Amino acid sequence: KQEVTQIPAALSVPEGENLVLNCSFTDSAIYNLQWFRQDPGKGLTSLLLIQSSQREQTSGRLNASLDKSSGRSTLYIAASQPGDSATYLCAVTPLSFGAGTTVTVRA
Amino acid sequence: GAGVSQSPRYKVAKRGQDVALRCDPISGHVSLFWYQQALGQGPEFLTYFQNEAQLDKSGLPSDRFFAERPEGSVSTLKIQRTQQEDSAVYLCASSSGRTGRYQETQYFGPGTRLLVL
Repeated sequence: KQEVTQIPAALSVPEGENLVLNCSFTDSAIYNLQWFRQDPGKGLTSLLLIQSSQREQTSGRLNASLDKSSGRSTLYIAASQPGDSATYLCAVTPLSFGAGTTVTVRA
Repeated sequence: GAGVSQSPRYKVAKRGQDVALRCDPISGHVSLFWYQQALGQGPEFLTYFQNEAQLDKSGLPSDRFFAERPEGSVSTLKIQRTQQEDSAVYLCASSSGRTGRYQETQYFGPGTRLLVL
């Protein structure tokens, strides 16, 4: 069974610092990998989707890399802002989610 | 609609009661997914529909859980004889279904928070 692990479980940084969130998975036979954001009491918002044939995706201040052979993905958020405070989840398809990294950006 | 909606947002049930959770996907979306999210955990897949056909129900934890999507749009997740371990947030997601079940971005609703006492 696919296992998805996210480290660290929680992260607190001062505003302006770059964020690095890690995701690892045990089975490299995946269709794609998605990064989601979840705000308290709300559903998930898709941030980036990386197809299995791709190495990275970028959207604004967000950049996600995928190394399928080593079972790893990293989400970079540049110049963090207080509005980036949320829980970030990665998911591999067939869909298995990590438990998330809860990020707090201090003003 | 503008996004995926779910109702009710909160539900408190006594142990043994039946509950029904509703999901309205984005209009025209073929694929619909249900997930269960326990506190502090990532969502766990429950079931998948393509139009009205339930193609995968491998994640349903017991035969007390039943889902339907009779007209290929709105879906209902029903839990019979609720137990305390059913307490969780139930998330619904939809995707267009144009390129396949796994290749597309899923759009999530806000979830229904179920508490079984």
